[in-house]
Amino acid sequence: GNSVTQMEGPVTLSEEAFLTINCTYTATGYPSLFWYVQYPGEGLQLLLKATKADDKGSNKGFEATYRKETTSFHLEKGSVQVSDSAVYFCALSDQAGNMLTFGGGTRLMVKP
Amino acid sequence: DTGVSQDPRHKITKRGQNVTFRCDPISEHNRLYWYRQTLGQGPEFLTYFQNEAQLEKSRLLSDRFSAERPKGSFSTLEIQRTEQGDSAMYLCASSARGTGGGHTIYFGEGSWLTVV
Repeated sequence: GNSVTQMEGPVTLSEEAFLTINCTYTATGYPSLFWYVQYPGEGLQLLLKATKADDKGSNKGFEATYRKETTSFHLEKGSVQVSDSAVYFCALSDQAGNMLTFGGGTRLMVKP
Repeated sequence: DTGVSQDPRHKITKRGQNVTFRCDPISEHNRLYWYRQTLGQGPEFLTYFQNEAQLEKSRLLSDRFSAERPKGSFSTLEIQRTEQGDSAMYLCASSARGTGGGHTIYFGEGSWLTVV
């Protein structure tokens, strides 16, 4: 079956530091890949997505590249802000887009 | 606000009681999903509808859980004879087929259930 593995948190960074959150996946066929962000007490917000190999998704300074050869979709941001503090979830959907499979989430804490 | 709407946002109930959550998807989204998220974990798929048809159910959806989408618009998720293990956030999401043929799934704010 499909599965997603993320690096465990919390990840604690100072403001303006570089961020990488690792995500690898196992899937059959050609899944789409997503990053969602969840702020305390709220639902999930779509951050970015990529639908095929070598696609780069980007939004709000975050980016991730769909690497089929390494089955990875690592999230990066060049300079984090305190407001980026949240839990980040990597996810994939099957080729038909019927459902999402999520990783366990990575908590990011950014200190001023 | 044209996002996915869920009601109630918070529910505290006694063990053994029934609870019902409602979800209003983004208009014109033909797919509607229910997920469950426990503290510190990622969301887990429960079930999804395409229009009014319930096309897939997870093994997590025991016979105490029932979901409906009678007119292909809003949906309800009912939990009967609640147990403490049902305490979680219940997330609703919706999607429509995009121009590239895939689905991008948008989530609501979630409904928190606490069973005491």
